[in-house]
Amino acid sequence: DTAVSQTPKYLVTQMGNDKSIKCEQNLGHDTMYWYKQDSKKFLKIMFSYNNKELIINETVPNRFSPKSPDKAHLNLHINSLELGDSAVYFCASSRGLAGDGGENIQYFGAGTRLSVL
Amino acid sequence: AQSVTQLGSHVSVSEGALVLLRCNYSSSVPPYLFWYVQYPNQGLQLLLKYTTGATLVKGINGFEAEFKKSETSFHLTKPSAHMSDAAEYFCAVISGNFNKFYFGSGTKLNVKP
Repeated sequence: DTAVSQTPKYLVTQMGNDKSIKCEQNLGHDTMYWYKQDSKKFLKIMFSYNNKELIINETVPNRFSPKSPDKAHLNLHINSLELGDSAVYFCASSRGLAGDGGENIQYFGAGTRLSVL
Repeated sequence: AQSVTQLGSHVSVSEGALVLLRCNYSSSVPPYLFWYVQYPNQGLQLLLKYTTGATLVKGINGFEAEFKKSETSFHLTKPSAHMSDAAEYFCAVISGNFNKFYFGSGTKLNVKP
């Protein structure tokens, strides 16, 4: 069983469209994250949810809206897609919060490669 | 503020040679430090971590890293490279109570036969 699964794996779309990426974890973790990895492989956190509550919201355009219907899911919806949104988006989860000593191992999904044309 | 610097975006070694991937961090409080590996078209996988205790930590696949507070470093080493070690390696830090990982820019390891 895949611990953290993201769908779709690849997403190609036109500028201006709205798209969603789904993430599910079956590890029983309380905290989930979205990261963006740009073309230079730089990973930057976007959002973090703990028990369905938003706890990190980095400087991300408000076209990006995360939604956590339950602890096992954290979806990412993107409105009015732009060329600069092209990247690989990674979902991750951890048992506790990142600052909680040994509870902070993050498990990553395989990524969603978004290409905006 | 926390930051992570990985020296060398590309490192190339011969099979059987020593692997050394460098990571330096800046943190105002004792950090938690991690190394992750990313194989092509895959997510990140934890190699090893340092939280407290022994400063030399061993991870999977024969990798180890040493936390040196005086040098603010957490370099990753492996005595003998294997072809399967070719991947991208990321150093990361969490500092204090912040619920954030700060990742380095990554080092791509190439292993030559």
